[in-house]
Amino acid sequence: LAKTTQPISMDSYEGQEVNITCSHNNIATNDYITWYQQFPSQGPRFIIQGYKTKVTNEVASLFIPADRKSSTLSLPRVSLSDTAVYYCLVGGRIYGQNFVFGPGTRLSVLP
Amino acid sequence: EAEVAQSPRYKITEKSQAVAFWCDPISGHATLYWYRQILGQGLELLVQFQDESVVDDSQLPKDRFSAERLKGVDSTLKIQPAELGDSAMYLCASTHLSGQESYEQYFGPGTRLTVT
Repeated sequence: LAKTTQPISMDSYEGQEVNITCSHNNIATNDYITWYQQFPSQGPRFIIQGYKTKVTNEVASLFIPADRKSSTLSLPRVSLSDTAVYYCLVGGRIYGQNFVFGPGTRLSVLP
Repeated sequence: EAEVAQSPRYKITEKSQAVAFWCDPISGHATLYWYRQILGQGLELLVQFQDESVVDDSQLPKDRFSAERLKGVDSTLKIQPAELGDSAMYLCASTHLSGQESYEQYFGPGTRLTVT
């Protein structure tokens, strides 16, 4: 399983764009990159998943460079409710494979 | 929208007592995970099931923890005897078979365990 490295914490202000970068230097050819969000006292929630280039949904964008050794989760115009822990996971769509949740990035959005 | 169900939501137990948690995954999801999350820390995978079979229990403290998924649907995680260090949130997640589908894990609300 590819190991991931993320910043432990980040601060931002309401209305700003937040970019959280995850390093995964030993990502395998069939690995996908997935991001989850977790609020206090709740289970994590899927945000976005991608393999290469750029993926966008109604919540976030995911940028993956050509070498795929890192990825950046972009949250446009954050609000106070985006304060949460964000996890980057890397793994393949293989039957039965598990993913490893690291410590994540604790994002604090300030007014 | 289908959800993963867990019960109880909160449990307080005394040290050395037995405690059990229940999880009902989303219908049709073959893969089921149990995670432990100590307050302020990341998620630790305890056990992974594929249908009724254990795929990975390498991080499960087998001297006191056990997990089963007898019919490949709902699952029970048991701790006996409970220790103070077991105080944590226990999360259950499920996902459907992989292939060309999204590998999204759906998490339940968790069971908050406090051992006194």
